[in-house]
Amino acid sequence: FVLSQPPSVSVAPGRTARITCGGSDIENVHWYRQGPGQAPLLVLYDDIHRPSGIPERFSGSNSGNAATLTIATVEAGDEADYYCQVWDPKNDHPVFGGGTKLTVL
Amino acid sequence: QVQLQESGPGLLRPSETLSLTCDVSGASMRLYYLTWFRQSPGRELQWIGYIYFSGYNKYNASLKSRVSMSVDSSQTKFSLRLTSLTVADTAVYYCARRRLGESKFDPWGRGTLVTV
Repeated sequence: FVLSQPPSVSVAPGRTARITCGGSDIENVHWYRQGPGQAPLLVLYDDIHRPSGIPERFSGSNSGNAATLTIATVEAGDEADYYCQVWDPKNDHPVFGGGTKLTVL
Repeated sequence: QVQLQESGPGLLRPSETLSLTCDVSGASMRLYYLTWFRQSPGRELQWIGYIYFSGYNKYNASLKSRVSMSVDSSQTKFSLRLTSLTVADTAVYYCARRRLGESKFDPWGRGTLVTV
């Protein structure tokens, strides 16, 4: 399993950010936000579900070959690294994408 | 609500052994795995291994010869041991919880920096 993420995405405040996670036949993709000096925080799970406390501005989709994390009405506080993750059932361990740094212009 | 907290020495020398603890509070770990990760300054997250509350474990093949994990009888204190340290083991080490049958990690500990 290899998950490919763009190293960086830049977006102006108030616009929509889209971060992609490419792979082959990926399912149940999870997304984590990691602010500077912080631990990863789950922001989406199983492609589309938001944990309690995550704003509705965060949404997700998955075509099977690419999952997308969409952040609507981006705020300065959304600036962070975002990682996608799936489970490798053959080897029974998690796989992470390389991370995408979201910059709010 | 469940909280995880890593603790251990922040500075070690090459060839020494790292021992970290992840203390779990606020909920039972029954039916959960405790997973260890690390993240080097280059930001890539690396899976180290996981241990089930019963003691079953699985380690990353690249670290398997140097890693061991354990859980105490109260199932609230999970330990990671990494031997024969090198500079390449310098990283922030995290523990995180994963429920049996699921694949997401939530929550994570705040992490602890280990410098070799």
